[in-house]
Amino acid sequence: KNEVEQSPQNLTAQEGEFITINCSYSVGISALHWLQQHPGGGIVSLFMLSSGKKKHGRLIATINIQEKHSSLHITASHPRDSAVYICAVPFNTDKLIFGTGTRLQVFP
Amino acid sequence: DGGITQSPKYLFRKEGQNVTLSCEQNLNHDAMYWYRQDPGQGLRLIYYSQIVNDFQKGDIAEGYSVSREKKESFPLTVTSAQKNPTAFYLCASSPRGGPPPEAFFGQGTRLTVV
Repeated sequence: KNEVEQSPQNLTAQEGEFITINCSYSVGISALHWLQQHPGGGIVSLFMLSSGKKKHGRLIATINIQEKHSSLHITASHPRDSAVYICAVPFNTDKLIFGTGTRLQVFP
Repeated sequence: DGGITQSPKYLFRKEGQNVTLSCEQNLNHDAMYWYRQDPGQGLRLIYYSQIVNDFQKGDIAEGYSVSREKKESFPLTVTSAQKNPTAFYLCASSPRGGPPPEAFFGQGTRLTVV
């Protein structure tokens, strides 16, 4: 069993739809990262959160520490949101453990 | 602009040859990391360095080597001992050692060994 699991693995949506990507983890954490990987491969950090909720534009990330679960929501999705979304949690003192990612495709 | 630069973006090598991937950052970050990404798998840590002239093995260090002679640079050498070198390699840095509180990633290098 992976220590960080994401669902779904693949997701397709029509432009404008509300998107939810889930991340469950089994290791203890101090914070959780949500990352975005575009088709070219580069990764951008979207959020780092340790409690509650964060919002940036159309992106909202929530975390429930007790349930070891986080969600990433995209409101009013757009084709440019098409990417792989990855969650990652710190483990021990010096590394991140990554989920396998959720591939999102948003069609016009 | 500050950031992490990986070069080249695409790299082809013949089997049995060593190859070095470059990673440079101008963010003044102490910690730097190398990850490998394979289809359907999460990123896996190869090596990391929290300070100049010091580095530690990650989860999949076999067949790889690194150096950290300068704060800005953390090159990764894929040696001929690495059995399956074809992969996407990502470099990252963070402001201080410990679990990356805020990680910055490069654009990656796709290595193909033929």
